[in-house]
Amino acid sequence: KAGVTQTPRYLIKTRGQQVTLSCSPISGHRSVSWYQQTPGQGLQFLFEYFSETQRNKGNFPGRFSGRQFSNSRSEMNVSTLELGDSALYLCASSLAGRGARTDTQYFGPGTRLTVL
Amino acid sequence: AQSVTQPDIHITVSEGASLELRCNYSYGATPYLFWYVQSPGQGLQLLLKYFSGDTLVQGIKGFEAEFKRSQSSFNLRKPSVHWSDAAEYFCAVATRSNDYKLSFGAGTTVTVRA
Repeated sequence: KAGVTQTPRYLIKTRGQQVTLSCSPISGHRSVSWYQQTPGQGLQFLFEYFSETQRNKGNFPGRFSGRQFSNSRSEMNVSTLELGDSALYLCASSLAGRGARTDTQYFGPGTRLTVL
Repeated sequence: AQSVTQPDIHITVSEGASLELRCNYSYGATPYLFWYVQSPGQGLQLLLKYFSGDTLVQGIKGFEAEFKRSQSSFNLRKPSVHWSDAAEYFCAVATRSNDYKLSFGAGTTVTVRA
């Protein structure tokens, strides 16, 4: 079974631009979660989507948004990029049956975003 | 406040030696515990997980972890380290009350010397 895939793997943008990242979950997984990883803040939860609805949200400004499609693929968007948005953005998928076993998250390779 | 602590930022170990990485958590509810590994430039790979039952959990790549409720710990061990084990290791906690969102420790970087 194919793992979680993320595209693109690398992105370079300038301040003020916007960016869209894509995540395809493991086949059959209905939940997609997004995390930001930076050297200073570590791994931080952004949001989770399930059945095209945002189910959980972390403590990030409204510039960070996401969506999920009917095939469970998800995109996240960051508008008006700031230098501090430079990070590795990780996507994780799970079955999301809302039990510990079915909510085990499997991660993709990440998208490295650099903001200049 | 809920937190996950990995006290060791960096550990250096000789190839063939044993390895133990510490993880402590502070959660009121019953936690579900995970260890992930991240190689440079890569995503996170799940090593093992604990939900209930036997407190000694076996994972991939020869790793195991022991859940000690009395010490609020979930330490990761490997009896004999290989050079390919050099990576960053993250302990993570999820709880039902928090909708299974993962909270991560700061990570421990493992360097393996020949």
